[in-house]
Amino acid sequence: GQNIDQPTEMTATEGAIVQINCTYQTSGFNGLFWYQQHAGEAPTFLSYNVLDGLEEKGRFSSFLSRSKGYSYLLLKELQMKDSASYLCAVKDFNKFYFGSGTKLNVKP
Amino acid sequence: DAGVTQSPTHLIKTRGQQVTLRCSPKSGHDTVSWYQQALGQGPQFIFQYYEEEERQRGNFPDRFSGHQFPNYSSELNVNALLLGDSALYLCASSLGTGGYEKLFFGSGTQLSVL
Repeated sequence: GQNIDQPTEMTATEGAIVQINCTYQTSGFNGLFWYQQHAGEAPTFLSYNVLDGLEEKGRFSSFLSRSKGYSYLLLKELQMKDSASYLCAVKDFNKFYFGSGTKLNVKP
Repeated sequence: DAGVTQSPTHLIKTRGQQVTLRCSPKSGHDTVSWYQQALGQGPQFIFQYYEEEERQRGNFPDRFSGHQFPNYSSELNVNALLLGDSALYLCASSLGTGGYEKLFFGSGTQLSVL
């Protein structure tokens, strides 16, 4: 079966750095994706990794280790608007398997 | 450039009824996937349509069916609604199948079954 785990909720302070971890066990792998979802809104694409290593996009970075089935999303210089759920998703050919999401609360 | 559009935004139905949700993909996209997202959970894959055919299906009963039209738009039909079908239904479009293309999501249809 497919299993994707991420913490349910995290809290961090504005201006700080936070790391959201994701571990996965899937039968196939065509990429690891991170999506941001504000309450009541659609998920929006943040980043993806297909090879091991770190991908950096502005304040957001994502890391992948395929051998360990592990990824993390790093958010720097946190802003209040970063309060949202962050979804880890594994692509297996045509399907995306999503974790339950990590709700990030950014406090002043 | 229009993104993924879904209609209606909200819908209230009673148990046993049938519902049809609609989706227009992002311009240039030919593949449409449907996801069900229960409150506090991640999206769960229902099925994907490509070239007007269902290409893959998740673990959903036959009460869930769909269709893709020649203009790539798509419908999701759910028959014999159950209380447990209450969820946010997300449509996502992409280009082609396989590969590393990302999904673009619509704002969803919030379905409430009473």
